[in-house]
Amino acid sequence: GAVVSQHPSRVICKSGTSVKIECRSLDFQATTMFWYRQFPKQSLMLMATSNEGSKATYEQGVEKDKFLINHASLTLSTLTVTSAHPEDSSFYICSARDIPGGTDTQYFGPGTRLTVL
Amino acid sequence: GDSVTQMEGPVTLSEEAFLTINCTYTATGYPSLFWYVQYPGEGLQLLLKATKADDKGSNKGFEATYRKETTSFHLEKGSVQVSDSAVYFCALFSGGYNKLIFGAGTRLAVHP
Repeated sequence: GAVVSQHPSRVICKSGTSVKIECRSLDFQATTMFWYRQFPKQSLMLMATSNEGSKATYEQGVEKDKFLINHASLTLSTLTVTSAHPEDSSFYICSARDIPGGTDTQYFGPGTRLTVL
Repeated sequence: GDSVTQMEGPVTLSEEAFLTINCTYTATGYPSLFWYVQYPGEGLQLLLKATKADDKGSNKGFEATYRKETTSFHLEKGSVQVSDSAVYFCALFSGGYNKLIFGAGTRLAVHP
């Protein structure tokens, strides 16, 4: 099946620094990628949808200047948490869909655990 | 709006017991339905899916049938193993919102 990777798997940073998380589709071209946030023992919260070559669409309540998303190629999307603070500590998961639009399956990355000290 | 409701966990079972995790949905149109599984510290893995009414998705001994009349997609397995311990998420793809909508997740713990 389709494989999505994330890097890094775990990151610890100081408050005020920026952190970049990469999401790659390894064996398919992902025209659309999604970024989710998951708090402990909770469900996934969609943060934004990114389409290759265009600006990301953010969900209500998600600060686009705080969470910068770039989807520069069909196999790579990045999420940058700018000026991170302890409340940004969370598990961030990306997913990718390999068919434009439609209802086809999303494949999820293994997640990145961010801890801001 | 579209939504998914799952039974609350945790569900605790002995090995080889029968498993049912209930999932019902509210949606306009005919959404695709999914079950994802999340093992500790990992991302989500697709377990099974169904794209139209009366379809049955199955994988690794798990099954779920898309029931339009009851708007349900209950997950079942005849004989669970310790290795099935994980969190299970029911989800639908909302064409209106163009995104996956997840249930809250149900934690399953299987003990020997």
